[in-house]
Amino acid sequence: GENVEQHPSTLSVQEGDSAVIKCTYSDSASNYFPWYKQELGKRPQLIIDIRSNVGEKKDQRIAVTLSKTAKHFSLHITETQPEDSAVYFCAAMDGNKLVFGAGTILRVKS
Amino acid sequence: DSGVTQTPKHLITATGQRVTLRCSPRSGDLSVYWYQQSLDQGLQFLIQYYNGEERAKGNILERFSAQQFPDLHSELNLSSLELGDSALYFCASSVTSGGYRGETQYFGPGTRLLVL
Repeated sequence: GENVEQHPSTLSVQEGDSAVIKCTYSDSASNYFPWYKQELGKRPQLIIDIRSNVGEKKDQRIAVTLSKTAKHFSLHITETQPEDSAVYFCAAMDGNKLVFGAGTILRVKS
Repeated sequence: DSGVTQTPKHLITATGQRVTLRCSPRSGDLSVYWYQQSLDQGLQFLIQYYNGEERAKGNILERFSAQQFPDLHSELNLSSLELGDSALYFCASSVTSGGYRGETQYFGPGTRLLVL
């Protein structure tokens, strides 16, 4: 089955700087890769997703890149703000289920 | 607000007991997914139902079972509870059965289960 690895486990950045979170997956058949943001005690919220026929997708300050050959996808957040502080999860679709990475705690220091 | 509702928000019970968690999907969504989130295991897929039928199974213990009713709400039953079952249980919903087309899954607010 699918295995997703996520790095780093924690990330601290200064407000206004960029943050990058990286994930690798194992199943070359996977073709859907969402990113979720989870604030403490709350539900995971989809922030962006990408499908395998696209190499990059951008939504305001958030972008995701995908390399199918390397089985690697990344989340980029520019001009970070304190409200970006949360846990971020990458995931890959394995059949009908999402397989999640272990999560990255992002702290944005003001 | 995702449109997915879950009850109860919190549940405190004792080892050996049985509990039922309830989930109502977004209006129009046919699939319901259950996930368990614990500190040591992260977010783990348990089971998926699509239009009343089981569609996919993950790391779900035999002590756990689920069903989806004709009105599309779903229940997750946890029995013979152990301390290690303490976790956040999320349900999510999507429009159809998902699969390799990759459908967005919208998460509910979760039920926090504490087994004492």
